[in-house]
Amino acid sequence: DQQVKQNSPSLSVQEGRISILNCDYTNSMFDYFLWYKKYPAEGPTFLISISSIKDKNEDGRFTVFLNKSAKHLSLHIVPSQPGDSAVYFCAAIIQGAQKLVFGQGTRLTINP
Amino acid sequence: GAGVSQSPRYKVTKRGQDVTLRCDPISSHATLYWYQQALGQGPEFLTYFNYEAQPDKSGLPSDRFSAERPEGSISTLTIQRTEQRDSAMYRCASSLGAGGPFEQFFGPGTRLTVL
Repeated sequence: DQQVKQNSPSLSVQEGRISILNCDYTNSMFDYFLWYKKYPAEGPTFLISISSIKDKNEDGRFTVFLNKSAKHLSLHIVPSQPGDSAVYFCAAIIQGAQKLVFGQGTRLTINP
Repeated sequence: GAGVSQSPRYKVTKRGQDVTLRCDPISSHATLYWYQQALGQGPEFLTYFNYEAQPDKSGLPSDRFSAERPEGSISTLTIQRTEQRDSAMYRCASSLGAGGPFEQFFGPGTRLTVL
């Protein structure tokens, strides 16, 4: 039972445009969400997070939107840069339960 | 240390052998996690420690898997009588603790191949 789903295995975006990565979840108990970025041969690195009491969190070029009624979150990257090419994982957690539940990942490729 | 380190980075073993993987977390971090990641998938939770206590080991797939963190710092994950289905990337992560922030910092992983 996949509680966190990233339905797009890959996404290709032109440099300078907006990249939008999507994530859906099924467990309404999740109350904190995170995005991780992963380069080849490295571990995932934390990118941005959002608490369920908010619907938007912004950090520079990265913005995460949370729609609790739809159980959907998205990561917007604008403008996209070549260094953003990586695999992006969405993750969710129930505060107090400690364990992160990850989606399958989306490979983002930024084309020059 | 500066980040989470794991050793070995790669391990090839024969079916039936025991393997032990090691994780050295960020020194100020109380909480340490183990995840298993299959190719093309996200990491899946195995177990975690708060210092040396192990409150949740619900993700360990069988009793062949065990983890320790005896002094509340370095942790080991041991797989006994390895099977081919155990082949995966094993990731360790650490965080400050249960009160948050909830960001977990990951090591580079150990790629285990069971022949």
